[in-house]
Amino acid sequence: DSGVTQTPKHLITATGQRVTLRCSPRSGDLSVYWYQQSLDQGLQFLIQYYNGEERAKGNILERFSAQQFPDLHSELNLSSLELGDSALYFCASSPWTSGDNEQFFGPGTRLTVL
Amino acid sequence: GENVEQHPSTLSVQEGDSAVIKCTYSDSASNYFPWYKQELGKRPQLIIDIRSNVGEKKDQRIAVTLNKTAKHFSLHITETQPEDSAVYFCAASSTGSQGNLIFGKGTKLSVKP
Repeated sequence: DSGVTQTPKHLITATGQRVTLRCSPRSGDLSVYWYQQSLDQGLQFLIQYYNGEERAKGNILERFSAQQFPDLHSELNLSSLELGDSALYFCASSPWTSGDNEQFFGPGTRLTVL
Repeated sequence: GENVEQHPSTLSVQEGDSAVIKCTYSDSASNYFPWYKQELGKRPQLIIDIRSNVGEKKDQRIAVTLNKTAKHFSLHITETQPEDSAVYFCAASSTGSQGNLIFGKGTKLSVKP
């Protein structure tokens, strides 16, 4: 157990809908990263938050957004869902002080768009 | 930006043999190189990492080597066991990249008993 939690574990929804994925980082970690992993694909970095502020963006679609709250949990919002958005979504947390960039992954949320 | 290439994409070995997975990176500023193991449907788990001030690191049957000049790093697994079967990902990041990890596409390792 990495100490990172994600809910829900599974999510099934229809095209055009909007969903919210939730992540709680390890105790003490200020940085949260979101990744998308499509079937048989690698891990695509989406976005990073550090202590409530957006720090970096990767290949995140405009239909997707995220935020990190004062208690440091993060939410990833996916809207106008398409079939191709079906994937595993992982969040990871890290203390990310200078030079300390070990990331610990949560169990993931499997999103299925029908 | 950083680009990480990983080879091979699949690797099949007999139990007890060694396995080697290689990665190259493009950004000379990268200074942190972790390896993750991912079993089917589960989270990636950090198995070993190396920083740019070190050339080699070992942890029991697993070792990682880094060649900064050539910008490549490798994962070595000795005395492989069936439970080593998984997908392995290499990654690279730099302090200046906010700690973001850029992953290789993964290597599916199969260890045959």
